[in-house]
Amino acid sequence: NAGVMQNPRHLVRRRGQEARLRCSPMKGHSHVYWYRQLPEEGLKFMVYLQKENIIDESGMPKERFSAEFPKEGPSILRIQQVVRGDSAAYFCASLTTDFSSGANVLTFGAGSRLTVL
Amino acid sequence: GENVEQHPSTLSVQEGDSAVIKCTYSDSASNYFPWYKQELGKGPQLIIDIRSNVGEKKDQRIAVTLNKTAKHFSLHITETQPEDSAVYFCAAEQGYSTLTFGKGTMLLVSP
Repeated sequence: NAGVMQNPRHLVRRRGQEARLRCSPMKGHSHVYWYRQLPEEGLKFMVYLQKENIIDESGMPKERFSAEFPKEGPSILRIQQVVRGDSAAYFCASLTTDFSSGANVLTFGAGSRLTVL
Repeated sequence: GENVEQHPSTLSVQEGDSAVIKCTYSDSASNYFPWYKQELGKGPQLIIDIRSNVGEKKDQRIAVTLNKTAKHFSLHITETQPEDSAVYFCAAEQGYSTLTFGKGTMLLVSP
């Protein structure tokens, strides 16, 4: 019963390069959320995807950032032409059901930590 | 949009003491309030949550209270242990199960 899997766990990029972060939700789940955590800050919502659909991208920066969740394979968060301000931890979450309450809850992966030099 | 304020930003207690973390939210339409615990280098882990149809929920040493009129909710940890040391985040839910998080409280429990 694998949880939310994210890779890479750590990624170092130089300014101007591209960063690709991958997330596989819990088995059988097709909803993925991406959040960003800046140093000493809370998590900020970026985007919510279902398979082949972007449901809510209201938290995504207008430029350089994109996300997809193809029919096959993991969800990918792509950051083009990275800048130092992109350095952060990026977390992916699955929407799961708490069977004791029947409520939908977010279960987070361990995160991908991006460092831009 | 929703705004969640969390206090205090750091909290130091002695083992066995109680710890209380408080949050306020701005959107009266929010009706789900989870609390997450994040240990160093790990992702946030849900520890307890509460929905707007109840005022209090308890799970062993942790409890959460909700005051919808005042738009604030609190996390209570009793009989704290060193392994409770972590960063705790409160959150409020908007549409599509998206969450707005507070900035976190670093709890340090000293033996």
